[in-house]
Amino acid sequence: EAQVTQNPRYLITVTGKKLTVTCSQNMNHEYMSWYRQDPGLGLRQIYYSMNVEVTDKGDVPEGYKVSRKEKRNFPLILESPSPNQTSLYFCASSPRGTGEQYFGPGTRLTVT
Amino acid sequence: LAKTTQPISMDSYEGQEVNITCSHNNIATNDYITWYQQFPSQGPRFIIQGYKTKVTNEVASLFIPADRKSSTLSLPRVSLSDTAVYYCLVGDTGRRALTFGSGTRLQVQP
Repeated sequence: EAQVTQNPRYLITVTGKKLTVTCSQNMNHEYMSWYRQDPGLGLRQIYYSMNVEVTDKGDVPEGYKVSRKEKRNFPLILESPSPNQTSLYFCASSPRGTGEQYFGPGTRLTVT
Repeated sequence: LAKTTQPISMDSYEGQEVNITCSHNNIATNDYITWYQQFPSQGPRFIIQGYKTKVTNEVASLFIPADRKSSTLSLPRVSLSDTAVYYCLVGDTGRRALTFGSGTRLQVQP
């Protein structure tokens, strides 16, 4: 089944403890992206990648890192999480450069 | 970046046609217009995409006027399960970042 998977789906952590949220797609898509969604603020893009080893900042990149070493994987790294990074995170992939994206199920992160 | 403007919310009844309009005055030549549906705590789901004129698939139609400064998502004969938030996205993943608008919350009543 063609899909985007994220792990973990739920995570509660403490301030400053490094964490990684994994994202994987099995559709051979070149474009991948991370979004966060907060009440009243909608979906905001954190980072995106147009291909392996090519990443760029979205609207809200502060406090996040990404890497794209393989086409199928695009992990999101929080080196030192803070409570303002408590949010619902979505990974997405796209088959071509037109904006048609396929989203993962989401990761609900709580930082205390 | 192309900014989009949509109504915050809309109400409808089962069986009616619903039209949601999105304004995107500074759309770029290479930008596509994409609509997504999102249910609470789920990832957005791709509905339809277009560049100009009209596009139709099994769930919706997308109308884009010649100047491309707006677009209208048309949902025929909505049901209760169409209650969701609908997002209009203008952009091109081949070149730059994408910015979602605030979305339209559609409430379908029996």
